[in-house]
Amino acid sequence: ETVMTQSPATLSVFPGERATLFCRASQTVRSNLAWYQQKPGQAPRLLIYDASTRATGIPARFSGSGSGTEFTLTISSLQSEDFAVYHCQQYNNWPPKTFGQGTKVEIK
Amino acid sequence: EVQLVESGGGLVKAGGSLRLSCVASGFTFSSSSMNWVRQAPGKGLEWVSSISGSSRYIYYADSVKGRFTISRDNAKNSLSLQMNSLGAEDTAVYYCAKEIGTGSYIDYWGQGTLVTVSS
Repeated sequence: ETVMTQSPATLSVFPGERATLFCRASQTVRSNLAWYQQKPGQAPRLLIYDASTRATGIPARFSGSGSGTEFTLTISSLQSEDFAVYHCQQYNNWPPKTFGQGTKVEIK
Repeated sequence: EVQLVESGGGLVKAGGSLRLSCVASGFTFSSSSMNWVRQAPGKGLEWVSSISGSSRYIYYADSVKGRFTISRDNAKNSLSLQMNSLGAEDTAVYYCAKEIGTGSYIDYWGQGTLVTVSS
């Protein structure tokens, strides 16, 4: 099983600042990685797929990068609606399709 | 507009059974692989099971294999998860989720249904 590790667990950021989230895979997943955003009480929402492609309707301030085992999600200038939990998921080595434990982005 | 609406969650005693359902609309259901993903209270997401459009390919997480059964009825645009021998560790919100292609990422999620297993 491919273990996905996200860091940090919690990220405290001022509105307008840049946020950088990390996701590491225990073995290569090539570029088969997605990022999801989840707000309290809501279902996850697809942000990024194939490591760097924004999903439909996702603002340009969200960007993804990386391949192999190291991935990054960057939010260039945090807006109030961006404070949420972010999950990464690999879909290269499955089953199972494994998720990271999530990174909570909170207001500093 | 893609919609996925789950139902069937509730409170069940340990060792009991429950059947979750998901009704889909807004896309060609029979061509889409579907998933169940769960989230225990305060925890991360855990993939549970996947089924291909034709039901030919079915996969389970080791944690549910032999206890859960995924199925679909393409005529009714519905997805199901039969859950048997439930334990406290199965307490979670269960999401129905549509996959893009096969063996790929999830592009749409339902709102989830809560399953609580009491000991």
